[in-house]
Formats: sequence, C-alpha cells, structure tokens
Amino acid sequence: QQQVKQSPQSLIVQKGGISIINCAYENTAFDYFPWYQQFPGKGPALLIAIRPDVSEKKEGRFTISFNKSAKQFSLHIMDSQPGDSATYFCAASKTGANNLFFGTGTRLTVIP
Amino acid sequence: EPEVTQTPSHQVTQMGQEVILRCVPISNHLYFYWYRQILGQKVEFLVSFYNNEISEKSEIFDDQFSVERPDGSNFTLKIRSTKLEDSAMYFCASSQLAGSYNEQFFGPGTRLTVL
Repeated sequence: QQQVKQSPQSLIVQKGGISIINCAYENTAFDYFPWYQQFPGKGPALLIAIRPDVSEKKEGRFTISFNKSAKQFSLHIMDSQPGDSATYFCAASKTGANNLFFGTGTRLTVIP
Repeated sequence: EPEVTQTPSHQVTQMGQEVILRCVPISNHLYFYWYRQILGQKVEFLVSFYNNEISEKSEIFDDQFSVERPDGSNFTLKIRSTKLEDSAMYFCASSQLAGSYNEQFFGPGTRLTVL
C-alpha cells in the first residue's frame, strides 16, 4: 500500500529556474507533511514541514503548498541553484505516531 | 554539529547469515528509529525504540529483526538470518522528543547487500 506518491522521479532544472516536486497522500489522518533533502553519502535531513491548518509555508527559497481537499502537497524551490542538486523526499505522518511514510524520492539536478 | 553515525557504510553478507548494523544516535536524544530503503523504492519505517523497548514497529519488522541499545551510546539492528530481499539501505534516526512532529535526524545509512 503506497501511502504517499511522489513525482517526478527525476527533475533537471536550469540555474535560476523553479523546481516543483509533487506528492499525494491517501490517509486523511495524516496531519504532518515534512520534506527531506538528501545529498550523496548523507542521510535525509529535514528541509521544511507543514501542518494542514495552513495552505502554504515558506522558508527562504523553499515553499510548501498544501491542498487538503485534493490530498496533495508540493515543494517549490525558487531560483534553483546547483547546490540544491540532491534527492528530495516528501513524507507524511499523523498525531501520536512515530513513523514517517515517505515518498519514493525525486532526484533534482540543477544545471549551471 | 551533532550527527547520527552508522557503521559499516557497506555490509556484504551471504544469505542466511546474521548481520548487526550499528548506529550512534545524537547524544541527548531519547528516541531511536530504523528505516530501510530498497533500491529505487521509498524509505520505509521499521521500528521505533524508547526507554529500552520497542514503541512501534511495522509489518516488515518480523521475528528476524531485533533492536538493542547495548550501552549508553549505540543502537543496533540485528537481522538473524538474512534473505536476498533484505538487501537495502538501512537508515538509523534519532529524535529528542517523541512523535513524528519532532525532527528525526538521520544517519548516512548502511548499504546491506545479501548474496
């Protein structure tokens, strides 16, 4: 059972462009949606997270957009930089749970 | 900056052998987790651990798996009799507080290859 679906699998963006990664979830009990960033040889690191009481959260160049009725959320990276090249995972969880349900990851490459 | 460390970075083993994957969580963290990622697939939760006992586990975490905190710093995952399908990247994570709202810090992973 795939609780969180992520697309695309890979993404190539020019420097300065906008990177958009999409996720959809099935379980309406989910109420916490983090995005993790992973560089080669490193573990996933929390990038930004949102709860469903807001439709958008912005931290610097990174924005999460959340659509509760569609059960979708997305990560937007503005002014993408080569240093943003990494694998991005969306995830979801619910109150009281310890486990995160991850998407399959998106490998982002930002071309100089 | 404190980080979670894992050893070894790559483990190769024969089917049926026992393996122990080791993790050193961040020192003031109390909650510990194991996840795995089969190549090309999503990261999957295995188990969470607090106060020397399992607090939550997934259906993947069957009797072949066990976890232990043998001392004040290490957290281990043991697979008793490895199968080919256990080949995956195994991530250890830790957090200061319980619940997924609290940031889980991940280690770099151990790639397990079962031949």
